[in-house]
Amino acid sequence: GAVVSQHPSRVICKSGTSVKIECRSLDFQATTMFWYRQFPKQSLMLMATSNEGSKATYEQGVEKDKFLINHASLTLSTLTVTSAHPEDSSFYICSATARGPSYEQYFGPGTRLTVT
Amino acid sequence: ILNVEQSPQSLHVQEGDSTNFTCSFPSSNFYALHWYRWETAKSPEALFVMTLNGDEKKKGRISATLNTKEGYSYLYIKGSQPEDSATYLCAGFDNFNKFYFGSGTKLNVKP
Repeated sequence: GAVVSQHPSRVICKSGTSVKIECRSLDFQATTMFWYRQFPKQSLMLMATSNEGSKATYEQGVEKDKFLINHASLTLSTLTVTSAHPEDSSFYICSATARGPSYEQYFGPGTRLTVT
Repeated sequence: ILNVEQSPQSLHVQEGDSTNFTCSFPSSNFYALHWYRWETAKSPEALFVMTLNGDEKKKGRISATLNTKEGYSYLYIKGSQPEDSATYLCAGFDNFNKFYFGSGTKLNVKP
């Protein structure tokens, strides 16, 4: 099956710093990539949808200046958490699809972010 | 917004038991329903994508049905095995290109 990698798998950073998380589709071209966040004991919450070469579409309540998403190529999307705060600590996971949002998504393994 | 709910939250069964769980969603604005299986320390893995009322899909011992008129989908596992232990997520995809995940059903199969 299709493989999506995510890097780093874990990151600890200090308050005020920025952290970049990469999501790569390794064996297919991803027309659309999604970024999710999971709060403890809760479901995956869609943060934004990104299409290659265009601006990401953010969900209501997600600050676009705080969570910068770049989908520069058909195999790479990045999420940068800017000026991180302890409340940004969470599990972030990406997914990608080659054929559009109504087809199955392929997920990365996720990134555990801890902001101290 | 598509409010997707899953039940039960968790389920403990013995090896060999068959089991099923439910995903419910509002039938208006519905476009597609996805089922994913998420094992600990792994990536969620796609099981099924269904769009049509009455759809039934099968993969090995796992099958799923879809009723878009009443807004539910069932996932069935026949003869559960310990390796089936995972969280099973469903996600609704609406007409506005939005994905909404349920909170998942955590299945534990005891040998």
